[in-house]
Amino acid sequence: DQQVKQNSPSLSVQEGRISILNCDYTNSMFDYFLWYKKYPAEGPTFLISISSIKDKNEDGRFTVFLNKSAKHLSLHIVPSQPGDSAVYFCAASGVNTDKLIFGTGTRLQVFP
Amino acid sequence: ETGVTQTPRHLVMGMTNKKSLKCEQHLGHNAMYWYKQSAKKPLELMFVYSLEERVENNSVPSRFSPECPNSSHLFLHLHTLQPEDSALYLCASSQEAHLEKLFFGSGTQLSVL
Repeated sequence: DQQVKQNSPSLSVQEGRISILNCDYTNSMFDYFLWYKKYPAEGPTFLISISSIKDKNEDGRFTVFLNKSAKHLSLHIVPSQPGDSAVYFCAASGVNTDKLIFGTGTRLQVFP
Repeated sequence: ETGVTQTPRHLVMGMTNKKSLKCEQHLGHNAMYWYKQSAKKPLELMFVYSLEERVENNSVPSRFSPECPNSSHLFLHLHTLQPEDSALYLCASSQEAHLEKLFFGSGTQLSVL
């Protein structure tokens, strides 16, 4: 059973608009969440993270929101740029999971 | 070079072949990992090494054999693989084992015929 789910395999957004990528999790013991970004032919790179003691973390154009009661987090990219086109992976860890649990990824395409 | 480098980038092998994947990290990290990424599946952790000692093996078949001669190098020896083992194999490192922020290599795209 997947503990971290990214239900949208793909997302297409116009340049300059907001991209919202969603992630749901089932394990209430998760307390740290990360987003990784992956370009073709490259490994995933760390993008942004959030601890469960916060509900929002912002880094430039990227903001991650955490809704613990809904077991849901989202990554907002605004404004979206063509260079943001990549696969985005959500990942989670917690006190009873000593490793990162990844989602299946969402492919974002930002078109001009 | 900087970061995490993996060789080869692509590998095609028959089911009776023996091959090895190589990973080297230039970040001074103490932990290294092998992940498998199959199409439409989450990244799966295969092995974790901390200070050259294996600390986790996620029930990986014995046809995959890891080796960590030092904290900068990690190998994955492959033998008698199956077509379903075709996937992208990613190496990663982190400062300490099980720290969340991983640094990944570009991966080896493996095809087993």
